[in-house]
Amino acid sequence: NAGVTQTPKFQVLKTGQSMTLQCAQDMNHEYMSWYRQDPGMGLRLIHYSVGAGITDQGEVPNGYNVSRSTTEDFPLRLLSAAPSQTSVYFCATKRGTGADTQYFGPGTRLTVL
Amino acid sequence: GNSVTQMEGPVTLSEEAFLTINCTYTATGYPSLFWYVQYPGEGLQLLLKATKADDKGSNKGFEATYRKETTSFHLEKGSVQVSDSAVYFCALTTGGAGGTSYGKLTFGQGTILTVHP
Repeated sequence: NAGVTQTPKFQVLKTGQSMTLQCAQDMNHEYMSWYRQDPGMGLRLIHYSVGAGITDQGEVPNGYNVSRSTTEDFPLRLLSAAPSQTSVYFCATKRGTGADTQYFGPGTRLTVL
Repeated sequence: GNSVTQMEGPVTLSEEAFLTINCTYTATGYPSLFWYVQYPGEGLQLLLKATKADDKGSNKGFEATYRKETTSFHLEKGSVQVSDSAVYFCALTTGGAGGTSYGKLTFGQGTILTVHP
């Protein structure tokens, strides 16, 4: 089992460009989420999904879109990148919607110039 | 709302020293508490957890006790190794079956630990 995979590992964008960060899991987990990690701020929740077809906003959703058409995939879209979106992005999954252990992907380091 | 506060870092220790990383929290409802560890260049992985008051989580020589009276979940290890060098995150969730928070995690800011030989 691959667990949680993320692509790309690194990305550099120019302001205004768009891109999609990919996240896939093979654990058949219902819950998937996206976090961003910034120095001194821990991880902050961007968007999450409790199942295929269901998404909702987290703490810092502005500038990001998500969709969940399958159980396995949960892409994060930046429609018009801004320097404030320079960060490390982590996808995470867990089995249910309770206090289960979350499993994190290896992360995508994004730089917006 | 929920919040987690970790001790300021970074923390630098010599091998075999005793480690404590403080974590306190505020939460609505009855939280479950977690410590996650992030090794250089990797994602986060669960180190230990506790789901109710007075529970002790333990793993790889690390321990933390859920103290409801002091709203704390301090991480300890009796003898650290160079391989323990990483960033440690305290986190909580107030999600539960049938709840509306869906087990979303709230993280502390992270504590960088460096262990020298």
